[in-house]
Amino acid sequence: QQQVKQSPQSLIVQKGGISIINCAYENTAFDYFPWYQQFPGKGPALLIAIRPDVSEKKEGRFTISFNKSAKQFSLHIMDSQPGDSATYFCAASVRSGGSQGNLIFGKGTKLSVKP
Amino acid sequence: DVKVTQSSRYLVKRTGEKVFLECVQDMDHENMFWYRQDPGLGLRLIYFSYDVKMKEKGDIPEGYSVSREKKERFSLILESASTNQTSMYLCASRLSSVAGSYNEQFFGPGTRLTVL
Repeated sequence: QQQVKQSPQSLIVQKGGISIINCAYENTAFDYFPWYQQFPGKGPALLIAIRPDVSEKKEGRFTISFNKSAKQFSLHIMDSQPGDSATYFCAASVRSGGSQGNLIFGKGTKLSVKP
Repeated sequence: DVKVTQSSRYLVKRTGEKVFLECVQDMDHENMFWYRQDPGLGLRLIYFSYDVKMKEKGDIPEGYSVSREKKERFSLILESASTNQTSMYLCASRLSSVAGSYNEQFFGPGTRLTVL
């Protein structure tokens, strides 16, 4: 119940296309859903995050869509660029102290954007 | 700008050696974490610490220990390195884990450890 399932494991998109990465969770107590971006040789960095009181959050070309009833959330990258090529991790946690507040990560999606 | 630094980017050790991985953060964060990252397995939590001298096991603590004597420093120790501990190790820090808060987690650049 603590798992976050992420798909696909890898994704190849043409420049200018839309990249879509999906995540699903079981724990209905989760109330914070961040996405992390990791470039080769670097540690992951927070890209964008959403809380379940909204269904969508947009920052530039990056959008999180959230479906509370389906317990799913997804990252959409519009007008994908070669510079977006990275590994993306979804995560979830509860707004709670202690270990319950730790992030649970998906297994990651390696995105390659072809020029 | 939060900075999480790790003592080595690449490390090669022999089976049975005791290995120390050091992590330092400069933003007075209370919480610190150690993960290992393996292809297809994502980020797996080894140990975490909520404050100085506090530590708790994560999902895969076997074969590892940690030390947090100062707030800014969190060390991961492999007591007797084995080949199955060859991996990328990532340290992270977070301001706090106070209930009701959503605090961003900041990662270091990682240490690629190879055990021969």
